[in-house]
Amino acid sequence: KAGVTQTPRYLIKTRGQQVTLSCSPISGHRSVSWYQQTPGQGLQFLFEYFSETQRNKGNFPGRFSGRQFSNSRSEMNVSTLELGDSALYLCASSLGTSGMSGELFFGEGSRLTVL
Amino acid sequence: GQNIDQPTEMTATEGAIVQINCTYQTSGFNGLFWYQQHAGEAPTFLSYNVLDGLEEKGRFSSFLSRSKGYSYLLLKELQMKDSASYLCAVRDNYGQNFVFGPGTRLSVLP
Repeated sequence: KAGVTQTPRYLIKTRGQQVTLSCSPISGHRSVSWYQQTPGQGLQFLFEYFSETQRNKGNFPGRFSGRQFSNSRSEMNVSTLELGDSALYLCASSLGTSGMSGELFFGEGSRLTVL
Repeated sequence: GQNIDQPTEMTATEGAIVQINCTYQTSGFNGLFWYQQHAGEAPTFLSYNVLDGLEEKGRFSSFLSRSKGYSYLLLKELQMKDSASYLCAVRDNYGQNFVFGPGTRLSVLP
């Protein structure tokens, strides 16, 4: 069973640009969530999509957005990049239900550097 | 607010037992999870508690006390490959909204 796939793995952008990251979840998983990981703040929840609908949203500015397609693949977009957006962006998929099956399966992440 | 606390770093010796504590204060609770993250890799699921008590899974065990907002991860017979960060996470009541702690970096020494 293929794992969670994120692309691109590494990217470098400059301030003011925008970036789109992609995530393909494990087959059969309907929930995709996104996390930002930095050394200082740890893992912080961005948002979660379930069946193409945003089900939960973290405390990030509106520059961070996402969407989910009918095949459960998801994208997140960050506009008007700031230096502080440099981070590892992790996508996690799950069945999306309560209970132990709700465990998250993480992708390898997309490491974004903003210069 | 949402707050999860863990020790930043711990060191233990190969073959020993180590306990990593986690305290939490969250607006909702629908399970406590532990994840392991090796440097440069993605987090992987270790354990899940939703009811009070101890869950054992091989060398790893996890304990939960909901009334105290407290959990611990117990690692027995430590091996060098256990050197990693251990993340405590609480799932909110709705959906898959997880609040993660800062992680505990465990170093296992020979």
